[in-house]
Amino acid sequence: AQTVTQSQPEMSVQEAETVTLSCTYDTSESNYYLFWYKQPPSRQMILVIRQEAYKQQNATENRFSVNFQKAAKSFSLKISDSQLGDTAMYFCAFMRMNRDDKIIFGKGTRLHILP
Amino acid sequence: DAGVIQSPRHEVTEMGQEVTLRCKPISGHNSLFWYRQTMMRGLELLIYFNNNVPIDDSGMPEDRFSAKMPNASFSTLKIQPSEPRDSAVYFCASSRGGLANEKLFFGSGTQLSVL
Repeated sequence: AQTVTQSQPEMSVQEAETVTLSCTYDTSESNYYLFWYKQPPSRQMILVIRQEAYKQQNATENRFSVNFQKAAKSFSLKISDSQLGDTAMYFCAFMRMNRDDKIIFGKGTRLHILP
Repeated sequence: DAGVIQSPRHEVTEMGQEVTLRCKPISGHNSLFWYRQTMMRGLELLIYFNNNVPIDDSGMPEDRFSAKMPNASFSTLKIQPSEPRDSAVYFCASSRGGLANEKLFFGSGTQLSVL
């Protein structure tokens, strides 16, 4: 069975700083997707970034980037130049590739951006 | 597109009562997921459907929980009888299915409080 672990329940950083959220996962699969989702106070779930396991290049979306270490089964999210609007719960998630399958989420990290 | 629509947004009920949560997926989406979010457990997958057929219900906590998808545009999650420990936010999500499962669209969730 696949598992996703987020070891930081809560974090706080000052606005404009860079913050890194950690995620590790466990799987015997070789092909899969990894995701970071953002859940602001509105409760909406927003896809932030996606990484395919077969790609060595780390995914980037504007101020959001990942550090994907496949051998270590690590998938951290870096937020650069953090903004107040980045305050949210962040979920790391996993899905097996090439299968009509489900997405498994970690427990989340609550991130506070301080003014 | 209206997105995934869930109702009600909030539900307060007394222990022992039956609770029915409703979800309308995005038109054309073939996969539907029910998730439960709590502080302790994060975001847990309860059940998911492909083409209206339940594929994996291993996350359903116990027999008090049941889910149906009578057609492509409607699903329900029922708890009978409800208990205080069922208090959580319940999310419905849909996707086009297949390899497109990586793009999940979430509803706004139902905040359930069982007194």
